[in-house]
Amino acid sequence: QQPVQSPQAVILREGEDAVINCSSSKALYSVHWYRQKHGEAPVFLMILLKGGEQKGHEKISASFNEKKQQSSLYLTASQLSYSGTYFCGTESNTGNQFYFGTGTSLTVIP
Amino acid sequence: DAGVTQSPTHLIKTRGQQVTLRCSPKSGHDTVSWYQQALGQGPQFIFQYYEEEERQRGNFPDRFSGHQFPNYSSELNVNALLLGDSALYLCASSSYRGAVRNQPQHFGDGTRLSIL
Repeated sequence: QQPVQSPQAVILREGEDAVINCSSSKALYSVHWYRQKHGEAPVFLMILLKGGEQKGHEKISASFNEKKQQSSLYLTASQLSYSGTYFCGTESNTGNQFYFGTGTSLTVIP
Repeated sequence: DAGVTQSPTHLIKTRGQQVTLRCSPKSGHDTVSWYQQALGQGPQFIFQYYEEEERQRGNFPDRFSGHQFPNYSSELNVNALLLGDSALYLCASSSYRGAVRNQPQHFGDGTRLSIL
């Protein structure tokens, strides 16, 4: 039930954009996005709920396709501080178990 | 405002031993979830506590057990430790009345457990 993320890794130059995708085999109630820097705890970025409600940061956007059980995280005008591993987290319609995705390593270089 | 605090930060045990990890949630939060994160992997959900009861459980054996206290703090206990239990154990707190549905989880820095 672990969501699958793509790409596995991406390298960007400062100012470039990136899209990270998250796909689940289960019908989803919500999708969370977190960023984890090496040796640190995951940090909340965004929540997307069924029905289109979003809660998150102003500089990060995301989409949630309920029919396809897919979500995408959009990072625009990347900064060095965006580097880290991005995880989606999903909760299905049928339960409260929370599953983190396979992760996407993002590196921003000058 | 203190965030989620976990103790200890590092721990070394040998196979067969037992370990207890502790977590204090962020102020105002009443729900605690525990995760296991192996090196290079995403966090795996162990279980969630709300109102001093285990509400949800991931795919972990009974060797993993927990407790939540009236002040919302929580413990994770692992018995009969195996080499494969070596990992970073993360605690996350939230205030959604037992449902990870529409509020963010706040994570502690974790406890690094090494089994020799």
